[in-house]
Amino acid sequence: GENVEQHPSTLSVQEGDSAVIKCTYSDSASNYFPWYKQELGKGPQLIIDIRSNVGEKKDQRIAVTLNKTAKHFSLHITETQPEDSAVYFCAASKNTGFQKLVFGTGTRLLVSP
Amino acid sequence: DAGVIQSPRHEVTEMGQEVTLRCKPISGHNSLFWYRQTMMRGLELLIYFNNNVPIDDSGMPEDRFSAKMPNASFSTLKIQPSEPRDSAVYFCATSGRQGGYEQYFGPGTRLTVT
Repeated sequence: GENVEQHPSTLSVQEGDSAVIKCTYSDSASNYFPWYKQELGKGPQLIIDIRSNVGEKKDQRIAVTLNKTAKHFSLHITETQPEDSAVYFCAASKNTGFQKLVFGTGTRLLVSP
Repeated sequence: DAGVIQSPRHEVTEMGQEVTLRCKPISGHNSLFWYRQTMMRGLELLIYFNNNVPIDDSGMPEDRFSAKMPNASFSTLKIQPSEPRDSAVYFCATSGRQGGYEQYFGPGTRLTVT
């Protein structure tokens, strides 16, 4: 089955710096890659996603890139702010009748003022 | 829209007791997922319903776990009997199209079994 690896497990940056979180997946049939942000005591919140027919997608300070050949995808956050501090999860799935998300292990991002 | 609603938010129970977790999906969403989150195993899919029908329950850990979706606006996850290793945060997520794509998570139920 699908296996998703996520790095780093923790990431500390200064406010205004950029942050990059990387994920790799094992199943070349996976075609949907969402990113979730989880704040303390809350459920994961979808922040951006990308499908396998697109190489890059951007939404304000957040961007996701996908390299299908290498089976890598990454989350890029620019001009980080303290409120970006949270745990970020990547996930992968293939739409074979239903979308079964396989999650990475999470990255704890800390943005210091 | 109120989003996915879960109750209770916190549950503390003794080993051997029955636990029932509840979920109300986003109106109009026809796919519902139950997840479990622990430090050791991360986020795991337990079961998936589409149009109130269980499609994949391969993630349900044991026969002690059962889930139902009697109608489009309500689902339950039951653990009977509960054990300390069941302590985790349980999330319900829903999706608007058959099987996905975008899944929206509820706030979760933190279960502690002593």
